[in-house]
Amino acid sequence: LAKTTQPISMDSYEGQEVNITCSHNNIATNDYITWYQQFPSQGPRFIIQGYKTKVTNEVASLFIPADRKSSTLSLPRVSLSDTAVYYCLVGDMGDDKIIFGKGTRLHILP
Amino acid sequence: KAGVTQTPRYLIKTRGQQVTLSCSPISGHRSVSWYQQTPGQGLQFLFEYFSETQRNKGNFPGRFSGRQFSNSRSEMNVSTLELGDSALYLCASSRGSATNEKLFFGSGTQLSVL
Repeated sequence: LAKTTQPISMDSYEGQEVNITCSHNNIATNDYITWYQQFPSQGPRFIIQGYKTKVTNEVASLFIPADRKSSTLSLPRVSLSDTAVYYCLVGDMGDDKIIFGKGTRLHILP
Repeated sequence: KAGVTQTPRYLIKTRGQQVTLSCSPISGHRSVSWYQQTPGQGLQFLFEYFSETQRNKGNFPGRFSGRQFSNSRSEMNVSTLELGDSALYLCASSRGSATNEKLFFGSGTQLSVL
């Protein structure tokens, strides 16, 4: 049973804001939500992490509703270099295993 | 601060052989976790070592093993290689337990089994 669900792929255009939503219905009380970006043949790179409400850093924002059963990664004004796979990772949901979902393949068009 | 270093970057082996991959974490990080990434299965968790002890393990056969040294460096071993073991093997380090900490990944070892 998948722990997180994300869209398989998304397309957007340069300069647009992109929002990627992740569903995690079984999130545990002490689980944090973390997003990673991965380019081909490289390891994933940390983007942002949050527990509740909103978190913002220099590259993205993370919105988490009160029930924490989903989260949305927001990338402002994307560029071609943002074309990558984005993974949402949610703690371990109580079983000590780290499970990356299938990720969202984001394709930015000129 | 130096990042996570994985060696070798590329490796070619034949079926039945064994292989050892190395991972040097960021200084001060005590946890090293390992992942296998293939086009078909995506990014799958192998195991995590924390302070020289295996903390948790994914659903892989016993041919996949690992260890962690007192300086937090970690090695992963795969014995009796199979064609299906061809993959990108990634390690990540974190200050505390990998399950809720930021993970810092290396560039991976691309293993090809012929």
